[in-house]
Amino acid sequence: GAVVSQHPSRVICKSGTSVKIECRSLDFQATTMFWYRQFPKQSLMLMATSNEGSKATYEQGVEKDKFLINHASLTLSTLTVTSAHPEDSSFYICSARDPQGRGDNEQFFGPGTRLTVL
Amino acid sequence: QKEVEQNSGPLSVPEGAIASLNCTYSDRGSQSFFWYRQYSGKSPELIMSIYSNGDKEDGRFTAQLNKASQYVSLLIRDSQPSDSATYLCAVTPTGGFKTIFGAGTRLFVKA
Repeated sequence: GAVVSQHPSRVICKSGTSVKIECRSLDFQATTMFWYRQFPKQSLMLMATSNEGSKATYEQGVEKDKFLINHASLTLSTLTVTSAHPEDSSFYICSARDPQGRGDNEQFFGPGTRLTVL
Repeated sequence: QKEVEQNSGPLSVPEGAIASLNCTYSDRGSQSFFWYRQYSGKSPELIMSIYSNGDKEDGRFTAQLNKASQYVSLLIRDSQPSDSATYLCAVTPTGGFKTIFGAGTRLFVKA
């Protein structure tokens, strides 16, 4: 149980284009999902908390107009990187909590999406 | 002061030895503690969660929590080369919704 998928796993795009990343909870419903970014050899950085049916909560320093988050259903959250630039190249990872799971506050991560902006 | 602190390593141990990974946290009222393993180029994988003082064992892994000292550790017995990865300590603070991750400790197990 508690499986989270992400799509695509890897994307290469030109500077200025927008990229959408999907995060799905496959065997549970997640009212909240989290989006992280990780640069090479650095720690996870929480970007935003995605709430089903309401606006996402962004961490300080994360541009909400650049990183658009939509959590339209209990199993799907999307992150759109708008007008991507080379500095946005990173490993983007989503996670979700299973409210029916055994452990409190356990987060399960998707496999991640590696974004390369040329 | 960082909220969750770990020694970045690398920690190098020979195959078959016990690897000991340590973590301290700043919020005394924290209730939930986790260890994640992250292989290079992959996303984190939950390996242990612990909520009360003492030890919790799962196979070759033992998590230890000492809330008075604000300290949580992970022991890996009979270390294998496949255990070579970065280990992330994570803590959910008091009344918290977000989980705070440490920067991770890199572990190398030498064959």
